[in-house]
Amino acid sequence: QSALTQPASVSGSPGQSITISCTGTSSDIGNYKYVSWYQRHPGKAPKLLLYDVSYWPSGVSNRFSGSKSGNTAFLTISGLQAEDEADYYCSSYASDTTYVFGTGTKVTVL
Amino acid sequence: QVQLQESGPGLVKPSETLSLTCVVSGDSITSSFHHWWSWVRQPPGKGLEWLGEIHHSGTTNYKPSLKSRVTMSVDTSNNQVSLTLSSVTAADTALYYCARGSFYKWESWGQGTLVTVSS
Repeated sequence: QSALTQPASVSGSPGQSITISCTGTSSDIGNYKYVSWYQRHPGKAPKLLLYDVSYWPSGVSNRFSGSKSGNTAFLTISGLQAEDEADYYCSSYASDTTYVFGTGTKVTVL
Repeated sequence: QVQLQESGPGLVKPSETLSLTCVVSGDSITSSFHHWWSWVRQPPGKGLEWLGEIHHSGTTNYKPSLKSRVTMSVDTSNNQVSLTLSSVTAADTALYYCARGSFYKWESWGQGTLVTVSS
């Protein structure tokens, strides 16, 4: 059960769109629709951004969107804002009632 | 709004047992059949790692590679969940979070507590 692979860092200018990939296997992302994304600012608790690949929890901006293709999930942040600078983690349900997280991506707003 | 607060010793010696508690406030641990209480950790410089989860009924699911060392329990009287990890090594040094999950996602997280394994 290996961690999902994310790029270590992604950057963009305010107003731009960026996309973070999250690559797993056919045992996790490829086999289930249960991908979720979390945002974590330094010293803060992680915050749920998306679940079931592309659904928003109440109160989360629709500037965050998600998709999935094969064994890879994607988080897109549109209209990048300074407050979006944070670490982002994906997660997927895997087999045998277990979960796996991504390696994490640091987003920098230039 | 539910709040989760982890606590425990910040320093544990190698080969000993790490014990952490997560106190839940603002909601009862037993308020919903669909809630599961997970422990997640983040070693320094690494990503998040799911350790396992427990339901208020006592049913547990553990990460297979940690199954022999992890025990999770629930104390409904005090509205808290606990984690014990035995035979710790430096690799268990991490920021430990508890989180409330339902339907394959975690909606509420604690702030985390840092545990260092060192002699």
